Amino acid sequence: GAVVSQHPSRVICKSGTSVKIECRSLDFQATTMFWYRQFPKQSLMLMATSNEGSKATYEQGVEKDKFLINHASLTLSTLTVTSAHPEDSSFYICSASKGDGELFFGEGSRLTVL
Amino acid sequence: AQSVTQPDIHITVSEGASLELRCNYSYGATPYLFWYVQSPGQGLQLLLKYFSGDTLVQGIKGFEAEFKRSQSSFNLRKPSVHWSDAAEYFCAVGQGAQKLVFGQGTRLTINP
Repeated sequence: GAVVSQHPSRVICKSGTSVKIECRSLDFQATTMFWYRQFPKQSLMLMATSNEGSKATYEQGVEKDKFLINHASLTLSTLTVTSAHPEDSSFYICSASKGDGELFFGEGSRLTVL
Repeated sequence: AQSVTQPDIHITVSEGASLELRCNYSYGATPYLFWYVQSPGQGLQLLLKYFSGDTLVQGIKGFEAEFKRSQSSFNLRKPSVHWSDAAEYFCAVGQGAQKLVFGQGTRLTINP
């Protein structure tokens, strides 16, 4: 099966700093990647859709200036949480589509903002 | 608007017992339906999916699910659970693999 890898798996940062999370499709090219946020014991909430070579499409209520998404290549999308605050602490998960009707998910990245 | 409801937040079953996790959806067109499993602190693994055709779909790890259009349901079943099945299970609906909407999840606990 296809593999999607996220890095880092865990990150702790100070309030006010920015954090970048990478999402890579290791053995396939992904024209579309998705970023989700998951609060403890809750479901996944779609934050944005990332398309290679174009601007990301954000879901309603998601601050595009707070959560910067870049999909610079067919195998890499990055999520940057800018000026992070404790309320941004969460589990962030990416997924990638091969275009055949199936999504492949990364292992997730747990962000803790102190 | 699309929505997915998993009525059971937490289910406990004994090892070896049968399992059914419920999923109801609301979708304007023919849905693409998925079941994912998530272990603590991990990403999601696809158990099975339904796009079209036979309404009873087989997945990995001995799971199956049945699409019932009349009931807008896509319940997940397993005839005999193993301790390793303890995890969080998510039902999702979407159009292809685009913009999936997830249910709230059902946490499965297995009693020895």
